[in-house]
Amino acid sequence: DQQVKQNSPSLSVQEGRISILNCDYTNSMFDYFLWYKKYPAEGPTFLISISSIKDKNEDGRFTVFLNKSAKHLSLHIVPSQPGDSAVYFCAASMAGAGSYQLTFGKGTKLSVIP
Amino acid sequence: SAVISQKPSRDICQRGTSLTIQCQVDSQVTMMFWYRQQPGQSLTLIATANQGSEATYESGFVIDKFPISRPNLTFSTLTVSNMSPEDSSIYLCSVGSGGWDEKLFFGSGTQLSVL
Repeated sequence: DQQVKQNSPSLSVQEGRISILNCDYTNSMFDYFLWYKKYPAEGPTFLISISSIKDKNEDGRFTVFLNKSAKHLSLHIVPSQPGDSAVYFCAASMAGAGSYQLTFGKGTKLSVIP
Repeated sequence: SAVISQKPSRDICQRGTSLTIQCQVDSQVTMMFWYRQQPGQSLTLIATANQGSEATYESGFVIDKFPISRPNLTFSTLTVSNMSPEDSSIYLCSVGSGGWDEKLFFGSGTQLSVL
């Protein structure tokens, strides 16, 4: 049973518009959430994270929103740029456990059209 | 963040053979992690490699199929043994951030195709 779900395998957005990537989780014990970006032939790179004590975290063009009651988080990219075209993975963990046990979603492939 | 070098970056192998993937980190780390990403699937943890002890394997992964070495605090290898086409995946080495957030840093990955 998948504990972290990214239900949209792909998303296409026009350059300059907002990209919204969604992620749902089922395990209420998760308290720390991360987004990774992956280009072809490269490893995933950390993008942004959020702790369960917050409902929003911003870093430049990237904002992550967390709705704990709905067990849902989303990544907003504004404005979207062609260089943002990549696969985005949502991940969740129980922070502080010392085990680095991240559970990943299957990823959403974002295509930003110039 | 740690710099992780992984090789080979890709390989095409014949069924029944074995491939060893190397991972080098630019700093000493206690734990190194090996992940697999099958086509269209999420990243799945294969095992945790601790220096000086046996690797800890996740459910569904066994040492005979994926033997791991961890000779020092900056290096690890993963071997994919007796390969079949189902082993065609991206294999990723990763290390932890060392902070409370347990963020992972990844190597560039090894794209393995088994014919």
